[in-house]
Order: sequence, then C-alpha cells, then structure tokens
Amino acid sequence: AQTVTQSQPEMSVQEAETVTLSCTYDTSESDYYLFWYKQPPSRQMILVIRQEAYKQQNATENRFSVNFQKAAKSFSLKISDSQLGDAAMYFCAYRSGDNYGQNFVFGPGTRLSVLP
Amino acid sequence: DTGVSQDPRHKITKRGQNVTFRCDPISEHNRLYWYRQTLGQGPEFLTYFQNEAQLEKSRLLSDRFSAERPKGSFSTLEIQRTEQGDSAMYLCASSPTSFEQFFGPGTRLTVL
Repeated sequence: AQTVTQSQPEMSVQEAETVTLSCTYDTSESDYYLFWYKQPPSRQMILVIRQEAYKQQNATENRFSVNFQKAAKSFSLKISDSQLGDAAMYFCAYRSGDNYGQNFVFGPGTRLSVLP
Repeated sequence: DTGVSQDPRHKITKRGQNVTFRCDPISEHNRLYWYRQTLGQGPEFLTYFQNEAQLEKSRLLSDRFSAERPKGSFSTLEIQRTEQGDSAMYLCASSPTSFEQFFGPGTRLTVL
C-alpha cells in the first residue's frame, strides 16, 4: 500500500519570505499523481498544485512550486513571497495512475504559520 | 455553482445511535468521494462513487458504515450504532476528472 509522510508537523515563515514543506511517499508504481492541498482554519480544503509522475518538469502555480524527485520519492512544496493568507494546514497526497485506483492517500499534514 | 455542500455541519449524538450525513456535489461532477479526518491527521479515504456506482470502499470501513448515491447526484453516508471512535470530521469531495477534487466544508460528528 502507498504511504505519504510529512516529517514537519509545524513550520513558520516570515511574511514575504520563502518556505519549503517536505513530503516523501512510498510506492511501487511508476504511474501516479501527487498533489498539495491547503486547508485554512475552519475552511474547505483546496488544491494548490498537482504533479504527474511522468512529467520531468516541476509544476508551478504562481508563488507555489514543487521539487519532484521521482527516484528519491520526494515531493516538496515551495511557497515564495509568503502571505498571511498562506497560513493553513498543508497536505501532500498521492493517487495511483491506474484508472481503477481512485483512492487518494493523504499525509498527516504540516501546519504553516506566517509571521507578520 | 455554489460548490460542494454538506449537511449537517455539526452532529452530536449518543453512542449507539444511527446518523446520516448528506453531500451535494458540484453539478455534473460524476465522481464523489467520502473521507474521514481526525484531529491533526490528513483525510482518510472511505469510499468512492462514479455516478451511482460505488466503485471503491476502504477496508477500514466497518459494516456499520454505508454510503449511497442514488441517481448519481447527492450522496448519503450512514453510520449505524455509533461509537466514540467514530467522532471525526467527515469530508465529501466531488470531481469532474480523476485529478482534482473539490471538497465540501465537512460534517463534524461528536459521539458522546
């Protein structure tokens, strides 16, 4: 079974600075998808960024980018120019590329605080 | 399009009672997921529907849990004979594809 690990339960960053959240995963599959989700306090979870394992290029969405290291099974999220609104729980998630495998596996999360 | 909605938002029940939660997905999203999230943890997959068909169910889901999605629209999750260990946030998500999920606000269940 696939597992997702986030080794940083809590992180903090100064406003306007850059922070990197770590994620590692374990799988025997070669085709899969990786995601970062954001869950603000008392608000709905939203997708931040997605990476297809077959793509070598790292995904980027505005201030959010990933460092995908397939061989190392590592998928870190970099947030540049951090803003107060970035404060949230961040979850790394894995989904099999198998059309029959719809199960998303989430990590335990990292709580990010943004300091003014 | 108002997003995924869930009802109720909060439910307090006594141990042994049955509870039912409802999820209304974004219209025309044919995929629907249920998750359970306990404090300080990530969402844990419970079950998945494609239209009205329940295609996947977690092995962690006991026989006390059942989910339906009649006519491929809204979905219900029922927990029978609730236990204190069932206390959690129950999240619903819908998706037009396999790659992105839109989450609802969740139903927080407290079992006394």
